[in-house]
Amino acid sequence: IAGITQAPTSQILAAGRRMTLRCTQDMRHNAMYWYRQDLGLGLRLIHYSNTAGTTGKGEVPDGYSVSRANTDDFPLTLASAVPSQTSVYFCASRGTGGHGYTFGSGTRLTVV
Amino acid sequence: AQSVAQPEDQVNVAEGNPLTVKCTYSVSGNPYLFWYVQYPNRGLQFLLKYITGDNLVKGSYGFEAEFNKSQTSFHLKKPSALVSDSALYFCAVSAYGSSNTGKLIFGQGTTLQVKP
Repeated sequence: IAGITQAPTSQILAAGRRMTLRCTQDMRHNAMYWYRQDLGLGLRLIHYSNTAGTTGKGEVPDGYSVSRANTDDFPLTLASAVPSQTSVYFCASRGTGGHGYTFGSGTRLTVV
Repeated sequence: AQSVAQPEDQVNVAEGNPLTVKCTYSVSGNPYLFWYVQYPNRGLQFLLKYITGDNLVKGSYGFEAEFNKSQTSFHLKKPSALVSDSALYFCAVSAYGSSNTGKLIFGQGTTLQVKP
């Protein structure tokens, strides 16, 4: 089934630790996005990539980094996790010229 | 800069009554507007979108939305609410201006509570 796979589904992480959230899509979409969802704030864009090899900063990029080595994968890395990064993280993709966005099922991250 | 506002944190309606969830937006360039629904502990589900054409858009589960350019609004509506419609609803906008980034910007979400 075509779509986006996020891993892990959930994670409890000690503050100061490094963590990479994985996102893989099999639709050959060019554009990919990382959002965090927090109560009362909706979904906020962290980083995006319009095509393999390029990335850009969203609304809340601090403390996060991304890479886009190929079309399918768009990992999100927290170099040194802090409790304020406790959130639900969603990966999304969009095809060329299309207006349809596909979302993953999310990663629930708790930083303690 | 793009932005979306959902002025109501929560909307309460009785089952069988019509419902409206409000959304206003601000973009430079042509707006592309979306509604998503999220059930507890689940991901986002696409409901409907406006790209161009008829201002009244029909979507999944009997929902519809009306694009109003002069009021920069895209309110979500349903003629007769169901208890199973209770969920968190997000309005989102994407703009294809000169930057052509296609970033999707979300409102803060509105919780819809439908009571029997």
